[in-house]
Formats: sequence, structure tokens, C-alpha cells
Amino acid sequence: DTGVSQNPRHKITKRGQNVTFRCDPISEHNRLYWYRQTLGQGPEFLTYFQNEAQLEKSRLLSDRFSAERPKGSFSTLEIQRTEQGDSAMYLCASKSGSSTDTQYFGPGTRLTVL
Amino acid sequence: SQQGEEDPQALSIQEGENATMNCSYKTSINNLQWYRQNSGRGLVHLILIRSNEREKHSGRLRVTLDTSKKSSSLLITASRAADTASYFCATAGSGNTPLVFGKGTRLSVIA
Repeated sequence: DTGVSQNPRHKITKRGQNVTFRCDPISEHNRLYWYRQTLGQGPEFLTYFQNEAQLEKSRLLSDRFSAERPKGSFSTLEIQRTEQGDSAMYLCASKSGSSTDTQYFGPGTRLTVL
Repeated sequence: SQQGEEDPQALSIQEGENATMNCSYKTSINNLQWYRQNSGRGLVHLILIRSNEREKHSGRLRVTLDTSKKSSSLLITASRAADTASYFCATAGSGNTPLVFGKGTRLSVIA
């Protein structure tokens, strides 16, 4: 257990539905990252936050995706009008602002879009 | 997009043998990290090596970095069945930038 938690762990939804995932980082970490991982591939970056500010978004993050970190603690990732191509593992990672460059990953949320 | 390429894509060895995985990357880096992922689980950080370092050790792990060749290797000595997992290298352009992962090496250690 790295100290980063994600909920739910699994989500099955029908195409066209909206889904929301939550990530709770290690409490003193001010940086939070979202990645997506499809079968047989390495994780790919989606977006990241420093405190509540969203600093960078990948081109993978279409306008159906939105992420927030309203109080600089937990973060949510919402996917609107899900498509089958959104099926993947969504991983969250957090990092301290200074002492170490290591990102600590949560267990992930596996999304299946039917 | 994936920056790194791990080699081999899959590796099967007997328990007790050493396992070596290689990673190549394309752009300049601040650090390179290796992670392990058991099937369907999150990533576990193994070791970080900075661009000004050439070799690091952690327990049964040894990592080397050659920035002139833009490559790194991970050696796991005296492998155990519990080492069976996928191993990923990830690079960072600076300390806080997002990680760029390779496609991973699937290691199977047979008891």
C-alpha cells in the first residue's frame, strides 16, 4: 500500500454514460497526476495538478474528460459520454513538492465501457 | 506517446537466475525510474536514478544509466517466483514533470 487510494476500483458502464473517479493522494503531497493504461501498454499521462491548479493536460484528454482538485487534496476525473475506447485502467499518482522525485501510484480504477 | 522502449518485451527464467531488462529513451532526462506492476494492480516504485548517476543498488536490484546512449538496465539477482510481474521504466524531464513510460517487460520466474 503506497498511501494513495482510488475509488472505485472497478467500474462497468454503458456507452454514453458519465463516470467519475476519485483519487486521494498521500496527505502532504502537493502534486497529483492522472495516467491511463490500456492492456499491454505502459501508462500514458493525462493531466496533473500542483495544489488546486491544473498545470498541464495531455492531448489524450479530450473535451469529454475533466479533472478537478478543488481544495488541493483529493482529485476527481470525470468522463462524459463514455465510449468503448475509454476502457482502460486509470491511475493516480502523487508526489511531494520537494524532497523526492518519486511518484507514488494508487491501485487504479479499471473502467469497462460496454 | 511512449518515450521508452523496454527490451525484451517478455522474459522467462528459472528461480534463482538473474533477470536483465533494458530501457532506451529518446530525449534528455532529469531522472529515470523503474516500476513493477503485478497483473491488474497499481505500480510499485522500485528505484530512481538521476541523470548524473551511473549505477544504483537496492537490495537485489541494480540499475545502470548511460545518458550518452540514452539507455538504462535493471538487473534483478537471484530471482524469485514473487518477482513475476511487468517492469516499466519511466523518464522525467525534470523533477516534477509527468513521467513518460515505456511499454514494459513481462517477467515470468518459474519455480
